[in-house]
Amino acid sequence: DAGVIQSPRHEVTEMGQEVTLRCKPISGHDYLFWYRQTMMRGLELLIYFNNNVPIDDSGMPEDRFSAKMPNASFSTLKIQPSEPRDSAVYFCASSLDRGWGETQYFGPGTRLLVL
Amino acid sequence: AQTVTQSQPEMSVQEAETVTLSCTYDTSESDYYLFWYKQPPSRQMILVIRQEAYKQQNATENRFSVNFQKAAKSFSLKISDSQLGDAAMYFCAYRTSGGSNYKLTFGKGTLLTVNP
Repeated sequence: DAGVIQSPRHEVTEMGQEVTLRCKPISGHDYLFWYRQTMMRGLELLIYFNNNVPIDDSGMPEDRFSAKMPNASFSTLKIQPSEPRDSAVYFCASSLDRGWGETQYFGPGTRLLVL
Repeated sequence: AQTVTQSQPEMSVQEAETVTLSCTYDTSESDYYLFWYKQPPSRQMILVIRQEAYKQQNATENRFSVNFQKAAKSFSLKISDSQLGDAAMYFCAYRTSGGSNYKLTFGKGTLLTVNP
């Protein structure tokens, strides 16, 4: 299995620009998660989907952030407009729906720098 | 809300020695899962080991084992025969039970250095 795939791996943009991060979960996985990692706040869950439906978006910082999952093999996290404080590593993870203890498998992350 | 605390921001160990990383958590639930993830410099998050709260037996994966003390809400990770490749940031994580809440709550991490 190829694992969770994220693109791009690195993104540098200027404040005010739109940023789109992409994720392909492991085939057959029912759940998809978006996390953000910063030095100040550590790893925090932004949103997660079950069978392409958003279940909990309480971690999304503000209206500038939006996430979609149009099908079982693709999800996007969009920031519009981007701000320097959005600089972080963004991880996508996926898991099977075998119960609440199922392991989440992480992608390699996208390192975002907003200048 | 659940919280996860890793009280050791940094640890170091000599190659081939044993090291224990600490983790405590706060919850009112009786059923839950606990995880240790490793994040090497590549930034990839890699599952090391997991423990089901309803199991009294401590989980073991090769050189990695946990000491799960449910009453004390403690979940430490022991790495035996440490190798240079074990150098990484280690995160303890908690996952609640029931319903459709699959959220992982992470500690701040412990940076492990392995000295040759």
